[in-house]
Amino acid sequence: GESVGLHLPTLSVQEGDNSIINCAYSNSASDYFIWYKQESGKGPQFIIDIRSNMDKRQGQRVTVLLNKTVKHLSLQIAATQPGDSAVYFCAEKTGANNLFFGTGTRLTVIP
Amino acid sequence: SQTIHQWPATLVQPVGSPLSLECTVEGTSNPNLYWYRQAAGRGLQLLFYSVGIGQISSEVPQNLSASRPQDRQFILSSKKLLLSDSGFYLCAWSEQGTEAFFGQGTRLTVV
Repeated sequence: GESVGLHLPTLSVQEGDNSIINCAYSNSASDYFIWYKQESGKGPQFIIDIRSNMDKRQGQRVTVLLNKTVKHLSLQIAATQPGDSAVYFCAEKTGANNLFFGTGTRLTVIP
Repeated sequence: SQTIHQWPATLVQPVGSPLSLECTVEGTSNPNLYWYRQAAGRGLQLLFYSVGIGQISSEVPQNLSASRPQDRQFILSSKKLLLSDSGFYLCAWSEQGTEAFFGQGTRLTVV
């Protein structure tokens, strides 16, 4: 399901360090997961996705890890840059149609 | 390539006035369409989704309604706006089983 009405948790990291953003999902039947990045005043943008038959997927500077046993998803950003500052959402999809978002985490990169 | 258009970008409406937000998608057929709302500093709340013309599923009972008069057109409406309807409204589309792509959002302020 969704977590709404909650203030966003925050994460501050030093430029150049690695960032790890975590997400707990609720539905064990979810078979597709997505990480989105949302900059202020804009719509969310797709970063990376992973299907439930995988436990790790890598992109450019980003890695998503999926632990189905504990229903946990994480996004790792290598060598975090100031342009990475944004709100990051995980989303889970159950079946073909419903896409539910987590609460989101605000990442602030300190120069 | 596919594009999504959402307008207007900002809107200030008095309490009790009607609302109509429009979203159109180009470059794809029979997409899944979504309306989300995001309160300031909060996560994304799924309001409606549609898998085809005239097919609308509501996730949260509220003062809003949605319609899909054409395959690639999704409209969010209200007959009488409430103060609590203020927020950032996002339209999104996806193909079955894939990530969703978001429009740029409409910031609605009800005064």
